[in-house]
Amino acid sequence: RKEVEQDPGPFNVPEGATVAFNCTYSNSASQSFFWYRQDCRKEPKLLMSVYSSGNEDGRFTAQLNRASQYISLLIRDSKLSDSATYLCVVNIGNQGGKLIFGQGTELSVKP
Amino acid sequence: DVKVTQSSRYLVKRTGEKVFLECVQDMDHENMFWYRQDPGLGLRLIYFSYDVKMKEKGDIPEGYSVSREKKERFSLILESASTNQTSMYLCASSLAGGPGQETQYFGPGTRLLVL
Repeated sequence: RKEVEQDPGPFNVPEGATVAFNCTYSNSASQSFFWYRQDCRKEPKLLMSVYSSGNEDGRFTAQLNRASQYISLLIRDSKLSDSATYLCVVNIGNQGGKLIFGQGTELSVKP
Repeated sequence: DVKVTQSSRYLVKRTGEKVFLECVQDMDHENMFWYRQDPGLGLRLIYFSYDVKMKEKGDIPEGYSVSREKKERFSLILESASTNQTSMYLCASSLAGGPGQETQYFGPGTRLLVL
């Protein structure tokens, strides 16, 4: 089983749609969770950290379910500029700073 | 604003050549990482370093070595390049410390083609 699993997509949605990405992780000792965004042929960039109570940043909402070892990212009112690959990222407990990246979910927002 | 730079955006080398990829960060980060990214395989960790002259193997260290002589600089070395090392190479850095300080900041990447 992969340490971090995501649906690779692609998700093709119209502008204005709401889209949700899911991610599961296998290491119950994980303590830190992130969503990164990667544009085509560019480097990954931090989109948001995921806190245990869930957190929101504008149109983006992240949620964490530790019991189910599940993380989600919700994007409301999708924009063309949201088209990218979204990477679910998890630390692996006590290995100080080492992160595991999911393979990413590709999102394409169409006019 | 964190800045991570990599010495080349594109590189073409021949099989058997020794290849050096350089990475520099300007935020005094303790941790530095080298990944490769391939379609369908995602980001895979090659090596990482927690401090000057310290290095740890990642998931796919075979065929690679690293050097960290200064805190801001982390070099990836392909001792004898092979065609299966054609890939996108990404360097990242982060602070040391526990949860909440692990955000990694990436350089723009080096696309390496080995012929």
